[in-house]
This record gives sequence, C-alpha cells and structure tokens, in this order.
Amino acid sequence: EVQLVESGGGLVQPGGSLRLSCAASGFTFSDHYMDWVRQAPGKGLEWVGRIKHKGNSYTTEYAASVKGRFSISRDDSKNSLYLQMNSLKNEDTAVYYCARVAIGWAGEYDPWGQGTLVTVSS
Amino acid sequence: DIQMTQSPSAMSASVGDRVTITCRASQGISNSLAWFQQKPGKVPKRLIYSASSLQSGVPSRFSGSGSGTEFTLTISSLQPEDFATYYCLQHNSYPLSFGPGTKVDIK
Repeated sequence: EVQLVESGGGLVQPGGSLRLSCAASGFTFSDHYMDWVRQAPGKGLEWVGRIKHKGNSYTTEYAASVKGRFSISRDDSKNSLYLQMNSLKNEDTAVYYCARVAIGWAGEYDPWGQGTLVTVSS
Repeated sequence: DIQMTQSPSAMSASVGDRVTITCRASQGISNSLAWFQQKPGKVPKRLIYSASSLQSGVPSRFSGSGSGTEFTLTISSLQPEDFATYYCLQHNSYPLSFGPGTKVDIK
C-alpha cells in the first residue's frame, strides 16, 4: 500500500524552529518529486514547496511566503522527506501535508499524507 | 509569481442546480490548471486536469474549460455529495499556487 505518514508537528513559539518528517512506503520513493502543502485552520490550501528527485539534482522550489525560512530535503536511503521550518510566524500555523507528485504530473497528488498540525503561538 | 483568484468565494445551491465556478490567473498559464474538491476533514481530490480533462472515476456532471487566464468548473446537476469546497491549482510555473477556494453549500 502506498502510504505517507507525517510527524513532527506541535506547538512552537514565534521565531522558533521545527522539523517535519514524512515517511514513505509502498513505492519507489526515489523516483518521485515530493511536495509539501499546508492548510491553516478553516482556510484554503497553500502550496509550500517541492523537491525533485536525484535525476533533477534534488532541486527545490518554494512559495514566496516561506522562501528563505523553510527548507525541504529528502533522504532516499530512508524513504523520508523533511521540512525544516525556521523563523516561524503565527501565520505558519497550519496542517502540513506531504504529497507524492504523480508521474506525468498534471496537478495530481497520489497520495497525500494525513497531515501534521503545527501551531505557532506564544 | 502567479496569483489565482476564484469567484464566487461561496455560494448556496440546490440539488439539481447548474453550478459554475470561475478561476482567474494573473498571467497566462496555458492549460496548466487542475480543479480539486475538498470535503471537511478530508484531503483534496483532483477532479479535472489540464483545464478540461476529467479525472478517471469522476462523474461526468463535472466539466472544466478555459485556457490562458480564465477557467471554469461546471457541475451540470448538483448532487448531495457535491457540497464541498473547490480549489483550482496552477502548475504552469513555480511557485505553484492554489486559488482561495469556493465553498458550495446547501440552499
């Protein structure tokens, strides 16, 4: 079964840091681009960023709202994706989803993780 | 960066109604647009890709059209299971961007 499981969410103070993890199973992780998408409570979806696979030099892309503060990495040997979040702001409070970018990407995520909640508050 | 807008932001409709949701991009994105449906507590589900192609398994009452900067999602006859929030996503260029969503609820 193709599965993604996020972890690492929690309560953090403004200005703090947090590292999210996403454990992948049931597929060849190294073949896929991976994205992070977030959703603030009661709000819409926001694309956070992407990491490409080794064939594209593990290139990363970020939303303007997180660029310079967040960093996406992956460890293909551990089938794991990471989101390092620094200088956190109240507005970063959200459920963070990791998502596998489908081969032949045309907007399909297959699958999504269940999400992990990050709360930034003093 | 490309900004996506959607209209309306919310609407009330009845079962059987024809519903049209519009998504606009701040610059041309060709047909690199997908539509998603999200129900409360669930992850989003893709309905339409490449602006007008129906995702396998999605009912034919859903359709998409448009190219460039203006796109529409149409539900020809709204069913009870269609009450949800709908998002567009542009994937023409980085950073990718979702529209703010359109909530369709029961009149």
